[in-house]
Amino acid sequence: DAGVIQSPRHEVTEMGQEVTLRCKPISGHNSLFWYRQTMMRGLELLIYFNNNVPIDDSGMPEDRFSAKMPNASFSTLKIQPSEPRDSAVYFCASSLRGQNTEAFFGQGTRLTVV
Amino acid sequence: AQSVTQLDSQVPVFEEAPVELRCNYSSSVSVYLFWYVQYPNQGLQLLLKYLSGSTLVKGINGFEAEFNKSQTSFHLRKPSVHISDTAEYFCAVLYNTDKLIFGTGTRLQVFP
Repeated sequence: DAGVIQSPRHEVTEMGQEVTLRCKPISGHNSLFWYRQTMMRGLELLIYFNNNVPIDDSGMPEDRFSAKMPNASFSTLKIQPSEPRDSAVYFCASSLRGQNTEAFFGQGTRLTVV
Repeated sequence: AQSVTQLDSQVPVFEEAPVELRCNYSSSVSVYLFWYVQYPNQGLQLLLKYLSGSTLVKGINGFEAEFNKSQTSFHLRKPSVHISDTAEYFCAVLYNTDKLIFGTGTRLQVFP
């Protein structure tokens, strides 16, 4: 398996634009997590899904952020409209809930909003 | 509230010296514990994990950690560090087999 795949690796956008980050989890995994990493706040859990269903989105900072998981092999995190303070590295991770509970991480998307 | 605390944001140490990175978590009925390492511009890699059984767990690269339920701690140790251990280390707790929470990280800097 190629591991968790995130795209794009880097994204630079202007304030006010819509940004969509993508994640393909490891095949067979049934839990998916989105994290945001900044120097000030470390790794923040934004939202997680079990079997494609959002379980806890209490970490989503504002209504500008939304996440979907239309099927077991794809998830998106959307920011609309984007702001400079959204600049961060966004990680996606997947795991097999109830089994070997280790989470595997993608390489991250570095987002810069100017 | 579920939380993970890493008390030290930075730990400087000389090569071949021992090191301990501290981690405490808010108590819960069911927890699984992890340490991850992040090298510059990379994702997170698992160092070790505690799911059940022996409270002393050994991981990759000579690291080990001890689960202490009464103190709700899971400190990471290595008896002799190398320059290549310089990285960011994250403690993580899986609550109720469901929600994976990370600490804010500890930057380990190893000097020659």
